[in-house]
Amino acid sequence: LAKTTQPISMDSYEGQEVNITCSHNNIATNDYITWYQQFPSQGPRFIIQGYKTKVTNEVASLFIPADRKSSTLSLPRVSLSDTAVYYCLVGPMDSSYKLIFGSGTRLLVRP
Amino acid sequence: ETGVTQTPRHLVMGMTNKKSLKCEQHLGHNAMYWYKQSAKKPLELMFVYNFKEQTENNSVPSRFSPECPNSSHLFLHLHTLQPEDSALYLCASSGRGALTDTQYFGPGTRLTVL
Repeated sequence: LAKTTQPISMDSYEGQEVNITCSHNNIATNDYITWYQQFPSQGPRFIIQGYKTKVTNEVASLFIPADRKSSTLSLPRVSLSDTAVYYCLVGPMDSSYKLIFGSGTRLLVRP
Repeated sequence: ETGVTQTPRHLVMGMTNKKSLKCEQHLGHNAMYWYKQSAKKPLELMFVYNFKEQTENNSVPSRFSPECPNSSHLFLHLHTLQPEDSALYLCASSGRGALTDTQYFGPGTRLTVL
């Protein structure tokens, strides 16, 4: 699986837009990019997934440049409840795989 | 997400005990997973079952023994654990065993080994 690099932590304030960037320089042609969110003492929760360009859902947007060597998770107008760890995962859609969660980005939203 | 349940939610056991963690999914999925999350460490994939067959064993010590009797149930049998095995154990399920399938996680079992 392509290795990913994310900032260890980020701080923001309520109402701001937060952009978390993930680097995956050796992403393969058939790799997808998936983001998960994890609150303390809970299992991760799927946020968004994409292959190229831009994907948007009710929670977030995912921006993927043409070279796909990075991706940016965008959270619009964060609230205190968005304080969590955000994981970027990159891998193929094979039926047999090894899902690797990195250290993630710990986002702290302040009042 | 109430689709994946885990019991017990908390477990304290001695190093000589034998216990089992249970996971049940009500989502009609065919793949189930065990993860370990130690304090301040990334999630570690332990086992993957696809259609009741184990497809991944991520070099997990034999004191952890998984069992998947059917696509809806997954167990993790524990015996002679070490204090460093104390962690949050998470179960997840997905439609298949593919990354593009969203994984749904249970609430986890907080395990403490004394």
